[in-house]
Order: sequence, then C-alpha cells, then structure tokens
Amino acid sequence: ILNVEQSPQSLHVQEGDSTNFTCSFPSSNFYALHWYRWETAKSPEALFVMTLNGDEKKKGRISATLNTKEGYSYLYIKGSQPEDSATYLCAFEEGDSWGKLQFGAGTQVVVTP
Amino acid sequence: KAGVTQTPRYLIKTRGQQVTLSCSPISGHRSVSWYQQTPGQGLQFLFEYFSETQRNKGNFPGRFSGRQFSNSRSEMNVSTLELGDSALYLCASSGGQGARAFFGQGTRLTVV
Repeated sequence: ILNVEQSPQSLHVQEGDSTNFTCSFPSSNFYALHWYRWETAKSPEALFVMTLNGDEKKKGRISATLNTKEGYSYLYIKGSQPEDSATYLCAFEEGDSWGKLQFGAGTQVVVTP
Repeated sequence: KAGVTQTPRYLIKTRGQQVTLSCSPISGHRSVSWYQQTPGQGLQFLFEYFSETQRNKGNFPGRFSGRQFSNSRSEMNVSTLELGDSALYLCASSGGQGARAFFGQGTRLTVV
C-alpha cells in the first residue's frame, strides 16, 4: 500500500511551457520529503530534501514547496526543456525511519520540442 | 568522489537458484539501503544497514537477506528465486537521516 501518492501519473508538456505536479504524504511523524529525478538508463538523482513546513527549494528552473500540516508538496518546472524529460519521484521519510524512504509511483514528464 | 557502484548490472537466473548482488557506497557513507522496483510498482524498500547492522526491514519474505561489511559495502541475497523476483534492484547510500540518498545504477535481475 502506497501512503505516498503522486499525481498526475504522466504529463506531456510543450517546450517552454511551465508545469507542476503533486506529492501527498502522511502528515504524521514527518521528518523529511525528498524529490528525485530519474532519467531513463540512469540512477535516480536527488533534487531536494525538505524538512520544514513552508520550506521552498529552487534549483535552476525547478522549485518545490512543502506543506507538512496538510501533507503535500508541489514540484514546479518553469520553461520546460527536452532535458527535463524524466520521471520525478517523491519520497517520504518518517522520524526514526533508519534509511527507509517511502516512494510514490512517480510522475513521468515528457517535454516535446 | 566515486558514486555508488552496483554489480553486476544484469543477471539472468533460473527459478530456485540464489543470487547475490553487491553495492559499494560513496566513501564515508555508512548507511546503505536496498530497493526493488517491479513494473507498475514504485520503489519498494527492502532493508537498510548501518555500521554492519540491519536497522530497518521492509515487507519482504525471509528469502531476501543482506549484510554489510566493515568497509560499508553491502550485499543482498535472494534465495530460492521466483519469477516474481524479476526486478530492478537499487541500492542507495546516504550520510544519515534527512540527507539525500545517492543511488547506484541498479542490477536488473531476470528470473526464468
């Protein structure tokens, strides 16, 4: 049973458009929320780790927000480029979880020129 | 700084056999976690090792086991392989709770 849910499952975006997608997670026993980008034939790569309610992170054209009280996080991609095509995974880390990340099923983003 | 290294990258085994996968973490990382990904499923947590001790375990049968050595390298073993064990197995190392995880490229196991 996945307690971490991501929506939508997939997105098709035109180059230059902005997009966003959601991760929802349990609001109890929160420690951190992770975002990873997973490109085909590569390893998942960490984008952000967020621990504080209201936290916002930014890396280039990608940013994320966090609401721990209501249990959701948004990932935004501004001005999408073909190289942004990947599966974006969020992962919930509970307190005292000892290395266990609970992953959502991911949002697959395809950016077309 | 070398990344997380998993060997082998690909493996084909027959039902009933056993298999051992290896993971070398980033230097200095003592926490190593293992995940399984099957088609249609998210990454499922198998177990985590820290300083040679298993600290956490996911909901997998006892056929799945692991260990960690004093140099933090970790192995996972699957005995009596079943067709459903065909999956991508990823390991990740991290510097501790709340730290980003660094993943290897995975071992693709096919059971025939």
